[in-house]
Amino acid sequence: EVQLVESGGGLVQPGRSLTLSCTGSGFTFGDYALSWFRQAPGQGLEWVTFIRSKTHGGTTEYAASVKGRFSISRDDSKNIAYLQMNSLKTEDTAVYYCGRSGDYFDYWGQGTLVTVSS
Amino acid sequence: DIVMTQTPLSSPVTPGQPASISCRSSQSLVRSDGNTYLSWLQQRPGQPPRPLIYKVSNRFSGVPDRFSGSGAGTDFTLKISRVETEDVGVYYCMQATQSPITFGQGTRLEIK
Repeated sequence: EVQLVESGGGLVQPGRSLTLSCTGSGFTFGDYALSWFRQAPGQGLEWVTFIRSKTHGGTTEYAASVKGRFSISRDDSKNIAYLQMNSLKTEDTAVYYCGRSGDYFDYWGQGTLVTVSS
Repeated sequence: DIVMTQTPLSSPVTPGQPASISCRSSQSLVRSDGNTYLSWLQQRPGQPPRPLIYKVSNRFSGVPDRFSGSGAGTDFTLKISRVETEDVGVYYCMQATQSPITFGQGTRLEIK
């Protein structure tokens, strides 16, 4: 069974850093691209970042709202994708989801809540 | 960025009746490889998004056949042939043809 499990969320002060993890199981992790999405309280869905599989260069892309502050990486030997979030702002408060894609996004995790507040 | 516009934003439906959600993109979603990367997701209350449809009209495994997707270019539709109470939630269209990936605002399906 394919599973994606996010972890690492919590309460953090503005300006600080936090790292989220997305652990995959039930599939060959390295064969897939991974994305992070987020959903602010009561709001819609927003794409955050994307990392391609090593086969496709392992390149990354970022939403303008997080570019320069957030960084995505992956460790295929551990089946984990990371989201390093620096210089956090109150508007980064959201549930963060990871999603898997081959030719299209087919699995999402349950999400982890990040609250940025003093 | 490609802007995705959904209508209606709210849809009260009687169980057993059909429902339809429209999604319009600000530019064509046909990629250079000939594919159209338009998906539909369902988000039930308190749940993560669940992918329903990919590449316009393909249902994911386990998605009931009362859900169907159609469209081309810039105009797309999600149809539910006979709404059931378990279909309550918010439905999003999403384009992955061009970065950044963008979503529609969401359509809230409510039961009358």
